[in-house]
Amino acid sequence: DVQLTQSPSFLSASVGDRVTITCRASQVIGDFLAWYQQKPNKAPNLLIYGASTLQNGVPSRFSGSGSGTEFTLTISSLQAEDFATYYCQHLYPYPSTFGQGTKVDIK
Amino acid sequence: QVQLVESAGGVVQPGGSLRLSCTASGFTLLAYPMHWVRQAPGKGLEWVAGTSFAGGDTYYADSMKGRFTISKDSSTNALHLQMNSLGRDDTAVYYCARESRRGRISFLDSWGQGALVTVSS
Repeated sequence: DVQLTQSPSFLSASVGDRVTITCRASQVIGDFLAWYQQKPNKAPNLLIYGASTLQNGVPSRFSGSGSGTEFTLTISSLQAEDFATYYCQHLYPYPSTFGQGTKVDIK
Repeated sequence: QVQLVESAGGVVQPGGSLRLSCTASGFTLLAYPMHWVRQAPGKGLEWVAGTSFAGGDTYYADSMKGRFTISKDSSTNALHLQMNSLGRDDTAVYYCARESRRGRISFLDSWGQGALVTVSS
């Protein structure tokens, strides 16, 4: 099974900061990686798929990069509405797995 | 407008069973693979199960195999998750999610609001 490890697990940042979250896969998964944002008591929301393609309607300050085993989610200028928990996920091959999550909090 | 609406969860005793439903609107369920994902209180996301376009192929996380069954009902455009032999570790919010594809890339682009299942005596 593919294991996904996110770092950091928690980070404090200020509005306007550039934020980078890393997701490392235990084996090569090409670009089969997605990123989701989740706010408290809400369902996850798709941000990025195919490692780097921005989902329709997602602000351009979000970007994804990487391939193989190392992937990055970057928020170029953190906004108040971006304080949330972020997860990476690979869907195939089964079983699908999620990273453990990165909580972005207000400094 | 694409929408997934889940049935209310509930409280069930250890060893008991519960069936969750997720009704789709704005699209035909048989045209998409579908998944269940859960989240235990204060924890991260955990993939539970997935099913193919027509629902003939099903896949499960190891800890759910033999206990959970994912299925589609084309007559009601609903996705179901039958959960048996529930234990306290199954306490979680359960989300249904639609899988979409762009070429060879798959992702979960629509999610239900979540249903809380509590396993407690």
